[in-house]
Amino acid sequence: EAQVTQNPRYLITVTGKKLTVTCSQNMNHEYMSWYRQDPGLGLRQIYYSMNVEVTDKGDVPEGYKVSRKEKRNFPLILESPSPNQTSLYFCASSFGLRGANTEAFFGQGTRLTVV
Amino acid sequence: LAKTTQPISMDSYEGQEVNITCSHNNIATNDYITWYQQFPSQGPRFIIQGYKTKVTNEVASLFIPADRKSSTLSLPRVSLSDTAVYYCLVGDTGFQKLVFGTGTRLLVSP
Repeated sequence: EAQVTQNPRYLITVTGKKLTVTCSQNMNHEYMSWYRQDPGLGLRQIYYSMNVEVTDKGDVPEGYKVSRKEKRNFPLILESPSPNQTSLYFCASSFGLRGANTEAFFGQGTRLTVV
Repeated sequence: LAKTTQPISMDSYEGQEVNITCSHNNIATNDYITWYQQFPSQGPRFIIQGYKTKVTNEVASLFIPADRKSSTLSLPRVSLSDTAVYYCLVGDTGFQKLVFGTGTRLLVSP
């Protein structure tokens, strides 16, 4: 089954404790990205990746890091989480970048709480 | 990026056809129109995409007039499980930057 898998689904952590949210897709997609969703602010892009070893900042990259060492994986790293990073996070991937065939596949989400 | 305007919310009953219109007056020549559905605490799910005229798939139809300044997502015979937020996305950045507005919150009642 074609899917984007995020782990963990739920995470409660303390301020400053490094964490990684994993994202893996099994569709051989080149393009992947991370979003966070907050009430009243909608979905905002954190980082995206055009291919292996190619990443770029989205609208809200501060406090986050990403890596793309393999095509299928795109982990999101919070080196020193803070309470304002409490949010619902989504990973997405796509076969195409622009025009047609840009259907985005989203993961199930990771609900992160930083206390 | 083309700005989109959708109704904030809509109500319907089971079995009815629902039409959600999205206005995008500044749509560019290269822009496609894409609709997503999102249930609470789940990731958005692609519904349909089109460039002009009419597109139909197994879950919805998308109507785009000749001037492309608006589009209408049509959901035939909705059920309770169609209660969700529906987003209209327009922009030539494609997947590089998906811009989700506030969407339309559809509530389907028995």
